[in-house]
Amino acid sequence: QKEVEQNSGPLSVPEGAIASLNCTYSDRGSQSFFWYRQYSGKSPELIMSIYSNGDKEDGRFTAQLNKASQYVSLLIRDSQPSDSATYLCAVKRSNDYKLSFGAGTTVTVRA
Amino acid sequence: GAGVSQSPRYKVAKRGQDVALRCDPISGHVSLFWYQQALGQGPEFLTYFQNEAQLDKSGLPSDRFFAERPEGSVSTLKIQRTQQEDSAVYLCASSPQAGSNNEQFFGPGTRLTVL
Repeated sequence: QKEVEQNSGPLSVPEGAIASLNCTYSDRGSQSFFWYRQYSGKSPELIMSIYSNGDKEDGRFTAQLNKASQYVSLLIRDSQPSDSATYLCAVKRSNDYKLSFGAGTTVTVRA
Repeated sequence: GAGVSQSPRYKVAKRGQDVALRCDPISGHVSLFWYQQALGQGPEFLTYFQNEAQLDKSGLPSDRFFAERPEGSVSTLKIQRTQQEDSAVYLCASSPQAGSNNEQFFGPGTRLTVL
């Protein structure tokens, strides 16, 4: 079992719709959770971080964390063509510095 | 301000050649990370520096991989006797402090192709 797993894509959504991305992790010692956006040929860019159970909203993005279920999700509201990218879920243990990434989910927003 | 920079952006090597990849972190950042990203995969951790000290090299895939950060700023990842399986994008990231909740800022990466 991989440490971080994401729902396989690609995910295609119409412009203005909600894109829902899921991520599960295997290590219960994970304490920090991140969503990165990566455009094709570019470096990962942090868009959300979440550390405690519940929801965290930032603009059109909402991250949801459920540590009991070892599950973290990202919702993108009012999806725009510029949101078309690969979204990487990353987790970090409390006593560690490195990020463990999922394979990513590619999102395509249709105009 | 300037972000993380890496050079070269692209490198083509013949199998068996040695390569050196450079990372210039954001000025003053204490932590520096190297990751390897294969096509269609997420980045995989290689090694971590706190200032000049290499605190974790558990992700280096073989003893052909070597990294250094002698003055606590610029870092070099060296791969000796490159193999085709080394073809990937090598990402460098830096973080301002040593704490575990600090954001990691990624550079543009070096795409290595081994023929």
